[in-house]
Amino acid sequence: DQQVKQNSPSLSVQEGRISILNCDYTNSMFDYFLWYKKYPAEGPTFLISISSIKDKNEDGRFTVFLNKSAKHLSLHIVPSQPGDSAVYFCAAYNFNKFYFGSGTKLNVKP
Amino acid sequence: DGGITQSPKYLFRKEGQNVTLSCEQNLNHDAMYWYRQDPGQGLRLIYYSQIVNDFQKGDIAEGYSVSREKKESFPLTVTSAQKNPTAFYLCASSIGTGRNQPQHFGDGTRLSIL
Repeated sequence: DQQVKQNSPSLSVQEGRISILNCDYTNSMFDYFLWYKKYPAEGPTFLISISSIKDKNEDGRFTVFLNKSAKHLSLHIVPSQPGDSAVYFCAAYNFNKFYFGSGTKLNVKP
Repeated sequence: DGGITQSPKYLFRKEGQNVTLSCEQNLNHDAMYWYRQDPGQGLRLIYYSQIVNDFQKGDIAEGYSVSREKKESFPLTVTSAQKNPTAFYLCASSIGTGRNQPQHFGDGTRLSIL
């Protein structure tokens, strides 16, 4: 049973608008969360992270929000650019291991 | 450039054969990992190693084996006991296994059964 879920397999957004990618988790022991970005034919690369003691972390155009009561995190990309088109994975940490979602494919249209 | 190299990119296996996937890193990382990705699913952990000569089973270790004789290398063997080996395999490494130590990934190996 997947402990980290990304229920939207794909998302299409116009260039310059906001992209919001969502992730839900079931295990309340998770205490650190990350987002990875993956281009075709490449491995995932780390994008941004957040500790469970925070509810927001910002890095340039990327912001991650964490709602612990809802067991939900989201990644906001503002403004979206065509180069952001990729698959985005969320991951959660517990006891030496990361648990990954199935990914959301973002397409940013020029 | 520092990074993780997985080879080969594509691999084909006959029924009943063992096959070994290579993973090498020159990042001087202590921890290394193997994941499997199937369509519509997240990355699932097969094995991980925190230091040389030590490794731990992940969530789906059955039918797989690993070794960690050198810091740089963490090969994965898919044995004939793995009944559904067709998948995309990703190797990763990190400085350690701490929560704030993101993993660096290779570009993956796609394994198919002939």
